[in-house]
Amino acid sequence: ETGVTQTPRHLVMGMTNKKSLKCEQHLGHNAMYWYKQSAKKPLELMFVYSLEERVENNSVPSRFSPECPNSSHLFLHLHTLQPEDSALYLCASSQDGSSGDTQYFGPGTRLTVL
Amino acid sequence: QKEVEQNSGPLSVPEGAIASLNCTYSDRGSQSFFWYRQYSGKSPELIMFIYSNGDKEDGRFTAQLNKASQYVSLLIRDSQPSDSATYLCAGLNDMRFGAGTRLTVKP
Repeated sequence: ETGVTQTPRHLVMGMTNKKSLKCEQHLGHNAMYWYKQSAKKPLELMFVYSLEERVENNSVPSRFSPECPNSSHLFLHLHTLQPEDSALYLCASSQDGSSGDTQYFGPGTRLTVL
Repeated sequence: QKEVEQNSGPLSVPEGAIASLNCTYSDRGSQSFFWYRQYSGKSPELIMFIYSNGDKEDGRFTAQLNKASQYVSLLIRDSQPSDSATYLCAGLNDMRFGAGTRLTVKP
């Protein structure tokens, strides 16, 4: 059971496709995050949104484009991805994005790029 | 580069034993640390967090933080097979996670 949902749970796409990942949180939080988890690598923070404003993106390639229309929804738009982008993409939310704020994760989207 | 490092394991302990998981960090400014558990194919789930020197206990779990030596550890008492998972240490001053330690508890 989780207050953070993600769709789709699995996605297979070609390198020329355009797709979007969706995240929704039902916890009343004001901060949301996108992480990438590749095999045998640490979680990588991709984007942070606090009160609907992007505050950090860690030099993620432009083929990943985040969108946060309100504090409950977060999207990750994907286009012209590479096979090395295949990974588990995790969304998380926290109360206000401050230091030490506990993050709650969604179930993730398993992405495969062919 | 600021880093959080963990021994990737695998760490194997018999059922009922104490499992000890360790994490070191390089950012002296880090104030709080979180331990997450991640079962294979699942997303991380929070176990506990610690932000002050010393020990913090919650059921079978004890987190220890030593800011002088820059390490944080997690002890699991009376380990159960259901504790078998990857444990992630995170220094959430800059939302940086370790690679995780894979724990296997053998019946």
